[in-house]
Amino acid sequence: GEDVEQSLFLSVREGDSSVINCTYTDSSSTYLYWYKQEPGAGLQLLTYIFSNMDMKQDQRLTVLLNKKDKHLSLRIADTQTGDSAIYFCAAGNAGNMLTFGGGTRLMVKP
Amino acid sequence: NAGVTQTPKFQVLKTGQSMTLQCAQDMNHNSMYWYRQDPGMGLRLIYYSASEGTTDKGEVPNGYNVSRLNKREFSLRLESAAPSQTSVYFCASSEAIGTGAVGTQYFGPGTRLLVL
Repeated sequence: GEDVEQSLFLSVREGDSSVINCTYTDSSSTYLYWYKQEPGAGLQLLTYIFSNMDMKQDQRLTVLLNKKDKHLSLRIADTQTGDSAIYFCAAGNAGNMLTFGGGTRLMVKP
Repeated sequence: NAGVTQTPKFQVLKTGQSMTLQCAQDMNHNSMYWYRQDPGMGLRLIYYSASEGTTDKGEVPNGYNVSRLNKREFSLRLESAAPSQTSVYFCASSEAIGTGAVGTQYFGPGTRLLVL
């Protein structure tokens, strides 16, 4: 089955860019998702990218997909303290369940 | 639109007690899911319901049962709670099982369960 891996922790200073990385194993995954979980809350969809795209940008968020290496990244420009949260990537394909990574805790220092 | 709601928010049980976690969605979604979240382990799928009237096991179904009561509601039951079931439980729903916009899952706020 699919396996999705993320680093556990990332610390950045306010105003810097954050890059959260994710790798997956199933090359048939057609959609890759990024979710954000704030303390005490459920997961909130940030964005998703289809496997025929290399990049997707949405305001301060940039998603990069390297299909050859099965590597996904989420870049947050001008990181703010409100961006402190756990970020999950997830991979899926048609008709199948999403597989979630373990989450990356982003800490933004003032 | 409330989205996905879960009750209760917190619960403390003694080993061997039973309880039912409730979940409801008002987005007219066909598919619903139950996950548990444990530190460092991400989300693990317990059960899911692709559509009203169907339920299937996920990755970690042992010790749980589910009921898809109607299109809106999907409950998770612990018949005899064990300390290993201490976790945060999330319900989610999607338009259907799939990918892209259709498969996007929307999550409830979670139920924090402590089993002593």
